[in-house]
Parts: sequence; C-alpha cells; structure tokens
Amino acid sequence: GNSVTQMEGPVTLSEEAFLTINCTYTATGYPSLFWYVQYPGEGLQLLLKATKADDKGSNKGFEATYRKETTSFHLEKGSVQVSDSAVYFCALNWGQFYFGTGTSLTVIP
Amino acid sequence: NAGVTQTPKFQVLKTGQSMTLQCAQDMNHNSMYWYRQDPGMGLRLIYYSASEGTTDKGEVPNGYNVSRLNKREFSLRLESAAPSQTSVYFCASSLGTENIQYFGAGTRLSVL
Repeated sequence: GNSVTQMEGPVTLSEEAFLTINCTYTATGYPSLFWYVQYPGEGLQLLLKATKADDKGSNKGFEATYRKETTSFHLEKGSVQVSDSAVYFCALNWGQFYFGTGTSLTVIP
Repeated sequence: NAGVTQTPKFQVLKTGQSMTLQCAQDMNHNSMYWYRQDPGMGLRLIYYSASEGTTDKGEVPNGYNVSRLNKREFSLRLESAAPSQTSVYFCASSLGTENIQYFGAGTRLSVL
C-alpha cells in the first residue's frame, strides 16, 4: 500500500540552526511528494512539492529532493527563524493523498 | 480570496447530539475532502467527493455522513456524537484528486 513515515517530534532548535525533518514513503507507483506546513490555529498550507525522481522542491528557504533510490523526501532549511515554528507534514499523492503524522518544530530565539 | 471556508470554528456537543459541519470553496474545484486531525495520528481521511454527485469513504468513515450539496459545498454530519469524535476537522478541496489540496482553517469539536 501507500504510506508516509516522518520523524517523530517535537523538534526544538535555536534560531539560525540547520533543520532536517526526515520523510520516507512507500508507494505502489510513482507518486508526487509534498511538504505541507500548519501554523498554530490554521489549516495546512502547501510548502513545496516534487513530481518526479531527482526533482527538488523549494520555497521560503526550505528544500526537499525526491530520492527514488532511498524512497525519501527529507525537508531541509539552512537557517531557521522563530516564524518557522509550526507542524510540518510530508505527503504523497498517488490517486489520493496520504499524509504523515506531522513533526512539530519550535524555534527559540 | 476566501479559498476554503469552514463553519463553525468551534463547537461543543453532548454525547448523542447531532450536528453538521459546513464547508464551501470558491476555487471551482471538482474534488473535496473531510479529514480529522488527532494528536500523534496526523490527518485521517473521513470521506471525499471526487466530483459533484459522488462521495466515497476514506480511512475512518464510521459515525459520519456527507453530502456534496453542489460543486461548492460539502458537508459532514455527525448523527449521534460520541466522545471519540472529539477532534479537529479539516475540509480541503482540489482541482482533481491528483492535484494540490487547499485546506480550510478547521473546526474544533469537543464531545462531552
């Protein structure tokens, strides 16, 4: 079947630290991959996406590369800010969406 | 730009009461979805409507019913609320089931 596994949280970082949130997937085909972000009290918003192997999605300083050989789509940012504090969801789409359980990130000044 | 609008934002029910959660989108999307979000479990799909006139069960449909009233509106009904249905409910829409989903702000429901 199709599923997404992401690293357990919560993650706490100091401002300007490097961020990695791991995401791996299982799929019966060749899915599109996504990262969504949820700020406190809000719905999910698309952060970035990649539609095929070796594609790199990027937005707001965040990046993730679609790695078919390792079935991964890890989220990275070189220097986090307090405003990046949110819950991050990895997801795949293969006919329908499958979401991971979310990783909570808190960035402290 | 309204996007996806959910009402109400908050609701408290007693066990056995019924209610309907409303969702409307103004993006002319064909597909709409209802999810519930619980701590440690991420988003779980309750029901979806791939296109106007169709609805299908998701991962956790028991205790819920849906109505795709028209292309814009997709409602979720709890006929007899139970404490296990305490959750945050999100509506989403997309152009098609393979496209990016856009989410509403959520309804926080407590069943006592």
